[in-house]
Amino acid sequence: ILNVEQSPQSLHVQEGDSTNFTCSFPSSNFYALHWYRWETAKSPEALFVMTLNGDEKKKGRISATLNTKEGYSYLYIKGSQPEDSATYLCAFIGAGNMLTFGGGTRLMVKP
Amino acid sequence: EADIYQTPRYLVIGTGKKITLECSQTMGHDKMYWYQQDPGMELHLIHYSYGVNSTEKGDLSSESTVSRIRTEHFPLTLESARPSHTSQYLCASSASAHTEAFFGQGTRLTVV
Repeated sequence: ILNVEQSPQSLHVQEGDSTNFTCSFPSSNFYALHWYRWETAKSPEALFVMTLNGDEKKKGRISATLNTKEGYSYLYIKGSQPEDSATYLCAFIGAGNMLTFGGGTRLMVKP
Repeated sequence: EADIYQTPRYLVIGTGKKITLECSQTMGHDKMYWYQQDPGMELHLIHYSYGVNSTEKGDLSSESTVSRIRTEHFPLTLESARPSHTSQYLCASSASAHTEAFFGQGTRLTVV
């Protein structure tokens, strides 16, 4: 069983705060690391797909970094807004090609 | 926009009944996945497929079975539903490990 862990499990911040979450995954047999955003009553939607050590991706106020040698990825949100409230999931793909998700970080942004 | 569909969206069924949850995608994706969502919203992989006639069990043990006779179709079957099968089931597909996965809207199953 692949061990994909996310921290923290939940996070409450004020509007305008910047925040970051961590995803840790096996450092061997790495193929890709995905980040998804999951709003209540909707389906998960992809934010980033990262494949190379040192990758940095950015979409608006959200960015992510990847360290495959030590097995972690960070997701950053700059200037959080109430509409950023969601569960953020990372998913690891290794040699088996299974898309294995972490437990998610639930973000709540207070106006 | 994602072209992956799950039916039914909601299902309430009695214990012991046989049920099939449908998942179809029109994107020509080879890889398809079934996930079971726990109350804390964690997604547990129960089945996946690399392509036609290839299916594998995921990390979470499940009494369900799947088939992949056509690229676009990946149904999940429970031969005898039990209350412990009550959950949300999500289907997803992707072209490759290096491309994003697209999710269906989910099927919320309640076994009474």
